[in-house]
Amino acid sequence: DQQVKQNSPSLSVQEGRISILNCDYTNSMFDYFLWYKKYPAEGPTFLISISSIKDKNEDGRFTVFLNKSAKHLSLHIVPSQPGDSAVYFCAASSSQGSARQLTFGSGTQLTVLP
Amino acid sequence: EAGVAQSPRYKIIEKRQSVAFWCNPISGHATLYWYQQILGQGPKLLIQFQNNGVVDDSQLPKDRFSAERLKGVDSTLKIQPAKLEDSAVYLCASSLSVLLNTEAFFGQGTRLTVV
Repeated sequence: DQQVKQNSPSLSVQEGRISILNCDYTNSMFDYFLWYKKYPAEGPTFLISISSIKDKNEDGRFTVFLNKSAKHLSLHIVPSQPGDSAVYFCAASSSQGSARQLTFGSGTQLTVLP
Repeated sequence: EAGVAQSPRYKIIEKRQSVAFWCNPISGHATLYWYQQILGQGPKLLIQFQNNGVVDDSQLPKDRFSAERLKGVDSTLKIQPAKLEDSAVYLCASSLSVLLNTEAFFGQGTRLTVV
């Protein structure tokens, strides 16, 4: 049972345009959401996060939107650059007992075309 | 600041053999995680430590996988005996505290191939 779903395995966009990566979740206990970027042969690196008390968080070219009623979040990259080409993972966190757990989606391969 | 260190980077073993992976987290990070990432999937948590205590190992196949973090710093993950389906990248991550909303920092991973 996948609690965090990224339904698009891949996405291609033109350099300079907007990239929109989507993520859906099913567990209403999730209260903190993160996006990670992964290049080949490297570990995932943290990109941006959002708490469930907010609906938007912005950091430079990256903005994450959270729609709690729809259990949906998205990552917007504007403008997209070729160096943004990577696999993007959505992750969600909940507090289970005394510990926070992080659950990942299956990832979306973003390709930014020059 | 040094990141999360993992070794080896790559390992090829035959099924039924044993293998061990090592992880050195970021200095001062109390929480350490081991994730398994199978090709085409997202990382799946195997075990989570807070200092040298296990916080969550509910998804660890305990009949063949074991992990320890004896001094609350370095950690090792062992598979004995390995199966073909254990072929994956094993990622170690650390964070400041399991109680806080903080991001986890990942190592480069160990790619295991079981033949």
